[in-house]
Amino acid sequence: DGGITQSPKYLFRKEGQNVTLSCEQNLNHDAMYWYRQDPGQGLRLIYYSQIVNDFQKGDIAEGYSVSREKKESFPLTVTSAQKNPTAFYLCASSPPWGTDTQYFGPGTRLTVL
Amino acid sequence: SQELEQSPQSLIVQEGKNLTINCTSSKTLYGLYWYKQKYGEGLIFLMMLQKGGEEKSHEKITAKLDEKKQQSSLHITASQPSHAGIYLCGAVLPLNSGYALNFGKGTSLLVTP
Repeated sequence: DGGITQSPKYLFRKEGQNVTLSCEQNLNHDAMYWYRQDPGQGLRLIYYSQIVNDFQKGDIAEGYSVSREKKESFPLTVTSAQKNPTAFYLCASSPPWGTDTQYFGPGTRLTVL
Repeated sequence: SQELEQSPQSLIVQEGKNLTINCTSSKTLYGLYWYKQKYGEGLIFLMMLQKGGEEKSHEKITAKLDEKKQQSSLHITASQPSHAGIYLCGAVLPLNSGYALNFGKGTSLLVTP
């Protein structure tokens, strides 16, 4: 079955540590995205990538980093520079503009202890 | 920047009742997506609207995009407990190449027996 997988589902991190969230898709989509969701808030765009080896900052990129070495994978690293990393992180992918919707993964809940 | 305002923020309805959720944009909408989210899970795509006056239905859920393309409504007929969740509208945000989605804060729906 085609889809987007995110791992782990729950992640705990100590302050000062970097942590990497995994996102894999087998939908053959060119574009991939990372969003952050806080309670009572909508989704905010962290980073996006339209093609392999290229990515752009979204609205709240500070304290985060990404890579796009393969079409199927778009990992997100939450660095120690992110002041308030506890949140629900959602990965999405989409075909080219105007052809279809964005498909979302099940999310990773990150908690900083 | 484009602002999306959803109303109401939360809604409690009795099973069998109809309800409407609104999504108002500060700018013209080039495409409007409706998603549903169960707490702690990813987003499930419901419908996409692109043309002014467009209306789409899926089972007991109907979404409309007004003629001026700055507001969309989601209407649920004869609500059921399975309709409970958070409903999010997302507006297409054109990027240099491709697009992302700009989301409202969501409407939380609870359906009581």
